[in-house]
This record gives sequence, structure tokens and C-alpha cells, in this order.
Amino acid sequence: KAGVTQTPRYLIKTRGQQVTLSCSPISGHRSVSWYQQTPGQGLQFLFEYFSETQRNKGNFPGRFSGRQFSNSRSEMNVSTLELGDSALYLCASTRGRDMNTEAFFGQGTRLTVV
Amino acid sequence: AQKVTQAQTEISVVEKEDVTLDCVYETRDTTYYLFWYKQPPSGELVFLIRRNSFDEQNEISGRYSWNFQKSTSSFNFTITASQVVDSAVYFCALSEERRDDKIIFGKGTRLHILP
Repeated sequence: KAGVTQTPRYLIKTRGQQVTLSCSPISGHRSVSWYQQTPGQGLQFLFEYFSETQRNKGNFPGRFSGRQFSNSRSEMNVSTLELGDSALYLCASTRGRDMNTEAFFGQGTRLTVV
Repeated sequence: AQKVTQAQTEISVVEKEDVTLDCVYETRDTTYYLFWYKQPPSGELVFLIRRNSFDEQNEISGRYSWNFQKSTSSFNFTITASQVVDSAVYFCALSEERRDDKIIFGKGTRLHILP
């Protein structure tokens, strides 16, 4: 059974550009959540999707957005990149609707903004 | 408000020593869930354990054990006879029954097991 797949694994962008990250959950999992990990702030919740609906969003500016497709795959987009957006972006999936169960994480996309 | 505190930023121990990672949480919910995840250098978080707020029994899984104490709002993790492969960042996390759409993570404890 394939795990959570995130693409690309590494990305270098310049300030002001925009970026799209992709996450394919485990087959059969319908909930996908995204986290930003930085050395200073740790793991911070970005958003969570279930059945193509965003159920919750963390405290991030509107430059951060996402969506989920009918096959449960999810994308997140960051527009007008800033240096501070450099981070490891992790995606997690769970089988059911809630995040109270075991979450399976991908290896992340490491974004560097220069 | 939800909050998870891992006061130990970094710990180094010599192989075969026992080590305990501390986790203190805050929540107003009576029903909540606590987790521990391990993050090896490859980046992905690996699930270790989930405990609900009504189950205060300690758990042991091989060299790993967990001590859940509601009275002190703590959920500590002990590795017995540590091995170099245990070197990783460990995260304690909390989710609430009434807010089941996110997990709150502590800032993690980086564990170095020295050969």
C-alpha cells in the first residue's frame, strides 16, 4: 500500500513567485491536512480538507490557499513568496473525517525562497 | 485554548541509557486525544501512539513506554535501553473531540543517541 506522496520533494523559488505543492493521500483516505515546519515555529497547522471541503484553516495569510480534488488529492498554493515561507511543508492523511485518529504523513516538500 | 509544551528542546544520551521525553498539554475539552510522533531525518512523521483522555493506563511497546497522568496534564514518553536508531525529533500532539479538524503539535524534542 503506497504511503502519502508529496511532490516535489525540493523546490527553490525566488521572492514574489508563486508555488504549488501536491499531496496524494493513502488510497481510501479522504481527509488531508497540511502543516508548515520551521526551526523557529515548529509544526504549524495550515488547513484541513475532507471531501473537497476546507474544514479548518490555521493562522496564515491569504497568500496560502489550498484545495482538494474528488480523488482526495490535495494541492496547496503560496502566492507572492516571501523569504519567511522557506520551510518543510508536510501533508497528512487520515481515513475518516476526523484528525483524532492516526495520521499518515508524507516526507514533505522542502521549499527554499531566495 | 489548546497547547502542547515540550520543554526539552534537545537531549543527548549515550546508547543503552534510558531517556524520558516530557510533554505537558492544555485543553478545556473533557474528551481529547494525545499522540506521539517520531520524525527521522527523512522528514516524514511516524505515528507511535494515540491515547484518549479516558484511558490513563500506561502503555508499553517493546522499548517504548508512555505515562499518561491527567492530574498533571502530562503524557511522557520513555525509551529504555536507547539505540542509535532512536535518534530523531519526537513530537507530542493533541486533538480535541469537538475540534477534530486539526492536531496541535508541541515544538518537538531532538534526541541524539550517542554510540
